[in-house]
Amino acid sequence: GQSLEQPSEVTAVEGAIVQINCTYQTSGFYGLSWYQQHDGGAPTFLSYNALDGLEETGRFSSFLSRSDSYGYLLLQELQMKDSASYFCAVRGEGRDDKIIFGKGTRLHILP
Amino acid sequence: GAGVSQTPSNKVTEKGKYVELRCDPISGHTALYWYRQSLGQGPEFLIYFQGTGAADDSGLPNDRFFAVRPEGSVSTLKIQRTERGDSAVYLCASSAALAGEQFFGPGTRLTVL
Repeated sequence: GQSLEQPSEVTAVEGAIVQINCTYQTSGFYGLSWYQQHDGGAPTFLSYNALDGLEETGRFSSFLSRSDSYGYLLLQELQMKDSASYFCAVRGEGRDDKIIFGKGTRLHILP
Repeated sequence: GAGVSQTPSNKVTEKGKYVELRCDPISGHTALYWYRQSLGQGPEFLIYFQGTGAADDSGLPNDRFFAVRPEGSVSTLKIQRTERGDSAVYLCASSAALAGEQFFGPGTRLTVL
């Protein structure tokens, strides 16, 4: 089956950089996605990695290493509005041909 | 240009009752997912459709849960004999491709008393 591991909470200071790690286990692999969810809101898509390397989108970057079954989300120039939960999600192949989510990382930002 | 919509936004029911939750995906999106989310947890996979057929329903907790998507667009999640443990936010998401970006609806908050 599929499983993902990510830290439950991370705290950082406004203006700083923070990295949220995700390790996964799945049969086959199609890609790793990251979503942001504010309290009371729905998850919103941030990034998707299908190949090894770094994908950059503004202040957010996402990295994938398929050989290590590992990825991370990097948030730069943190703003108070970045306080939210961040989820990694993976899609596998065959029996794991569906997208499942990790339990989420709660990001706390201090002024 | 509407996004994913879900109705109702809130549903309060009594234990043992039957409920239906509706999801209207983005037009043209072939993949549709149902998730359940409890407070402080990630979205828990329930079922996904590719077109009209349920491609994977392995996440449905038991046979009280059933979902349909008869015309490949709107989907309904049906829960029979509701239990208090079914209380959660039920999220629907659609995507143009299986591995692509998922667009989530606002969710239906189900409360079983």
